[in-house]
Amino acid sequence: NAGVTQTPKFRVLKTGQSMTLLCAQDMNHEYMYWYRQDPGMGLRLIHYSVGEGTTAKGEVPDGYNVSRLKKQNFLLGLESAAPSQTSVYFCASSSEYTEAFFGQGTRLTVV
Amino acid sequence: AQSVTQPDIHITVSEGASLELRCNYSYGATPYLFWYVQSPGQGLQLLLKYFSGDTLVQGIKGFEAEFKRSQSSFNLRKPSVHWSDAAEYFCAVGANGATNKLIFGTGTLLAVQP
Repeated sequence: NAGVTQTPKFRVLKTGQSMTLLCAQDMNHEYMYWYRQDPGMGLRLIHYSVGEGTTAKGEVPDGYNVSRLKKQNFLLGLESAAPSQTSVYFCASSSEYTEAFFGQGTRLTVV
Repeated sequence: AQSVTQPDIHITVSEGASLELRCNYSYGATPYLFWYVQSPGQGLQLLLKYFSGDTLVQGIKGFEAEFKRSQSSFNLRKPSVHWSDAAEYFCAVGANGATNKLIFGTGTLLAVQP
């Protein structure tokens, strides 16, 4: 019963480094999302995908890129990390007319 | 643009007391509405959802919420709070009348006193 799995769970980056966060879901969901969570700001949508091969910008897309080459995977990339990208990142997936199912989160610190 | 407002940042209640967490949304038509709960260091778990039909929705862990179109509200309630309910609660609305993009409120942190 894996659901939505995020890797890694924790990561520390130096400013300017790059990294990719991986999200995998085993529920055959069409839609996938990346959110960031910061204190007092709730969850803000970074990018989302409505199907394999599609991506779209959310509320706070700057500094991030995404790819959805396979239906079950949604990758979030940071090309040049900045301290402002220190956050907890959540991946989620859903089908039409269902709720979103969330992963356990990735805590990223950029120093 | 759609938005969700949770006016209470932090609420403290005594164990056994009743609870109401407020949520107001802005959207022209009938929205899809959700309440999620997040325990410390964990992901988000769905408590309940409203898509259509009966405006009083029952969820898990004894929670319920009522959709009031006239007030653009979807408040979460529980008649008797348990210490294990201490967590952060998020209200969300499906953007553009769909479920494929959720907009979240800023959350309400619930503390439970013995």
